[in-house]
Amino acid sequence: SQQGEEDPQALSIQEGENATMNCSYKTSINNLQWYRQNSGRGLVHLILIRSNEREKHSGRLRVTLDTSKKSSSLLITASRAADTASYFCATLPISDYKLSFGAGTTVTVRA
Amino acid sequence: IAGITQAPTSQILAAGRRMTLRCTQDMRHNAMYWYRQDLGLGLRLIHYSNTAGTTGKGEVPDGYSVSRANTDDFPLTLASAVPSQTSVYFCASSAGVADTQYFGPGTRLTVL
Repeated sequence: SQQGEEDPQALSIQEGENATMNCSYKTSINNLQWYRQNSGRGLVHLILIRSNEREKHSGRLRVTLDTSKKSSSLLITASRAADTASYFCATLPISDYKLSFGAGTTVTVRA
Repeated sequence: IAGITQAPTSQILAAGRRMTLRCTQDMRHNAMYWYRQDLGLGLRLIHYSNTAGTTGKGEVPDGYSVSRANTDDFPLTLASAVPSQTSVYFCASSAGVADTQYFGPGTRLTVL
């Protein structure tokens, strides 16, 4: 069963604006990972954040993790048309170490 | 460096036929995975292999089998395809079970 749930399901923003999406999960995790998928393509890894970390940055991406609330957020700053994609959070539970994906957030960046 | 390759890119298959989806990685990763992606459901794990010679069942293993004879290859076989197996199939690999997964481009399978 899917452990992670992304919110919102879809997001439409203007180029240059920031995009924030959230992920909630149910059980204790080893790490949480964010992936991007462009239409018709495979998934590309963005950031991995471990359970003992609270925040990580990669370029225009910022990920936070709150293990007490079992939630994470992905912020894309100064969005570009090329950021149009689906974004998935995936959690690695400590119970079985099998990555569990949410249904994703579809982000559309308007020029 | 190719990373992960999958073949075929797409396939239309009659129900009841046997089909093997191929996956090869050149990163010498220990772990490999097969997922299916259906609209609105995200990715679901079919089978996995933590190291060459071992395999395990994921969330949706029924109707599928895998083998891991060596580090690089992880084929997925549908013994007798059914329409509910129509999906996009992704192979992935990671250095270890807790590491980043790298995905192939996918195989779009249609079972009629």
